[in-house]
Amino acid sequence: SAVISQKPSRDICQRGTSLTIQCQVDSQVTMMFWYRQQPGQSLTLIATANQGSEATYESGFVIDKFPISRPNLTFSTLTVSNMSPEDSSIYLCSVGVNTEAFFGQGTRLTVV
Amino acid sequence: GQQLNQSPQSMFIQEGEDVSMNCTSSSIFNTWLWYKQDPGEGPVLLIALYKAGELTSNGRLTAQFGITRKDSFLNISASIPSDVGIYFCAGLTQGGSEKLVFGKGTKLTVNP
Repeated sequence: SAVISQKPSRDICQRGTSLTIQCQVDSQVTMMFWYRQQPGQSLTLIATANQGSEATYESGFVIDKFPISRPNLTFSTLTVSNMSPEDSSIYLCSVGVNTEAFFGQGTRLTVV
Repeated sequence: GQQLNQSPQSMFIQEGEDVSMNCTSSSIFNTWLWYKQDPGEGPVLLIALYKAGELTSNGRLTAQFGITRKDSFLNISASIPSDVGIYFCAGLTQGGSEKLVFGKGTKLTVNP
């Protein structure tokens, strides 16, 4: 398994601003993922964070809105840019270990 | 894209009762994962299934990987109040990029 620390755990932000979410893993992992979970909904994959290369984004998500960094095998960041109330969601970091996926506790973002 | 149909959407049961939920898909998956999510937390992996027909238990939880590789079920026996939460199935595809596809979740309420 893997222990994942995500920061911040929650935040309230003004529209038009940006928030960077950090994800730290206790071991080196090849694959890291960022998900969005809108209120009362399931998880939707935003992108796969690749170490040493650009992130791979899913349909409906773009780099300008959700820039991702992956400087090493234990750390990644997701930035939610130019926020609007529609971005209010839980954002979750995940890592893949031996065909299993483990999640951080999530960042609950409220945009006002 | 690939979708998972998870049912039921919600369940209200009495403490001590058994619970069953399932996921079906039109696509084949190589791995099925079952998660539980408590309020304000990230999903926690309960059971992972790797082979068609596989039946795996984890305490009071039992899950099976369907023979067709297009479905899976999760049973909870003798439910207790701390079983309350949202249960998600997830299928993992392989070949190229490994991605998890999530069901919409089953919200379980257990009345003492």
